[in-house]
Amino acid sequence: DSGVTQTPKHLITATGQRVTLRCSPRSGDLSVYWYQQSLDQGLQFLIQYYNGEERAKGNILERFSAQQFPDLHSELNLSSLELGDSALYFCASSVGASGTDTQYFGPGTRLTVL
Amino acid sequence: EDKVVQSPLSLVVHEGDTVTLNCSYEVTNFRSLLWYKQEKKAPTFLFMLTSSGIEKKSGRLSSILDKKELSSILNITATQTGDSAIYLCAVLSNSGYALNFGKGTSLLVTP
Repeated sequence: DSGVTQTPKHLITATGQRVTLRCSPRSGDLSVYWYQQSLDQGLQFLIQYYNGEERAKGNILERFSAQQFPDLHSELNLSSLELGDSALYFCASSVGASGTDTQYFGPGTRLTVL
Repeated sequence: EDKVVQSPLSLVVHEGDTVTLNCSYEVTNFRSLLWYKQEKKAPTFLFMLTSSGIEKKSGRLSSILDKKELSSILNITATQTGDSAIYLCAVLSNSGYALNFGKGTSLLVTP
């Protein structure tokens, strides 16, 4: 158990809908990263927040957005969902802003878009 | 564009065998290379390698980085069925904050 929690575990929804995935980092960690893992693309970095502010952006679609709240938990919002958005979404946390800090991954949220 | 390539994609071995997993990378301003093990769920951290030629070891697992060859290997000796997992290699560059992952090597250890 990494200490990173994610809810929900599984999510099944229809195309065109909007969902919110939630992540609570390990105690003391200020950085939260979001990753998408699909069978054909592997693990892809989406976005990073550090202490409430966006720090780095990866291959995140415009339909997706995220934020980190004052209590350091983070939410990833996915809207206008398409079939291709079906994937495992991981959150990871680390102590600092630098990528050299070890990232600890949560158990993931499996999103299925029908 | 940064690239991380792992080989083989998939591997099946018998318990007790030794395996070597490969990771090669092309990144601008390399900073470090990391190995993760992913079983059913979240990737778990194994090693972080920054300096060339220095082996990191944890039990039956070891890894080494070759900056000249832009590659790393992960060795697992005396494999056990519990080693069955996807092994992910990721690279961090100075220009980024997040990890650039390879597609992974799927290892299956049969009894």
